[in-house]
Amino acid sequence: NAGVTQTPKFQVLKTGQSMTLQCAQDMNHEYMSWYRQDPGMGLRLIHYSVGAGITDQGEVPNGYNVSRSTTEDFPLRLLSAAPSQTSVYFCASSPRGSTEAYTFGSGTRLTVV
Amino acid sequence: EDQVTQSPEALRLQEGESSSLNCSYTVSGLRGLFWYRQDPGKGPEFLFTLYSAGEEKEKERLKATLTKKESFLHITAPKPEDSATYLCASGATSGSRLTFGEGTQLTVNP
Repeated sequence: NAGVTQTPKFQVLKTGQSMTLQCAQDMNHEYMSWYRQDPGMGLRLIHYSVGAGITDQGEVPNGYNVSRSTTEDFPLRLLSAAPSQTSVYFCASSPRGSTEAYTFGSGTRLTVV
Repeated sequence: EDQVTQSPEALRLQEGESSSLNCSYTVSGLRGLFWYRQDPGKGPEFLFTLYSAGEEKEKERLKATLTKKESFLHITAPKPEDSATYLCASGATSGSRLTFGEGTQLTVNP
């Protein structure tokens, strides 16, 4: 049981480039989320999904795009990378309608130069 | 707007020196109060969920408690392997989103 798998673990982008951060879970969880973690700011919600085909914006959605075509996958797209998007990105999943906590992936460390 | 504030930002203890971490929250309809542990370079790891005031949960040297406005993570006789950042998060009844505090970085010296 792999849990939540994120790829890549590290990435360096040039300003203006686009890329997709991958997230996959094998727990059949309905709820999935993307967070970014910056020093002194804690974890901030970017986008989330309550099921396949349903997504919504979180606290800091600008510059990011998501889609949820299957229950398992929830990719995060950076449309045109900016230095302000340098951060550590975490994907998380949780059972639908549950009060149980989210399970987090191991993160992607992104640097935009 | 839901808010979670953790204190202190950093805490340095000697091995065996007990202490508490604080998490103050403001949320409309608390669904759950969550504690996570995060080691450097890794994702947060779930520790506890508390659902109602007065509830307590324990795991090894850690005990989490909940009041109507705060949660405490008590660490009894800590060991160096307890060194990590401890995160607190609240979940509201209106949805599945979690609001995280900034965390407390705990260092336990041998």
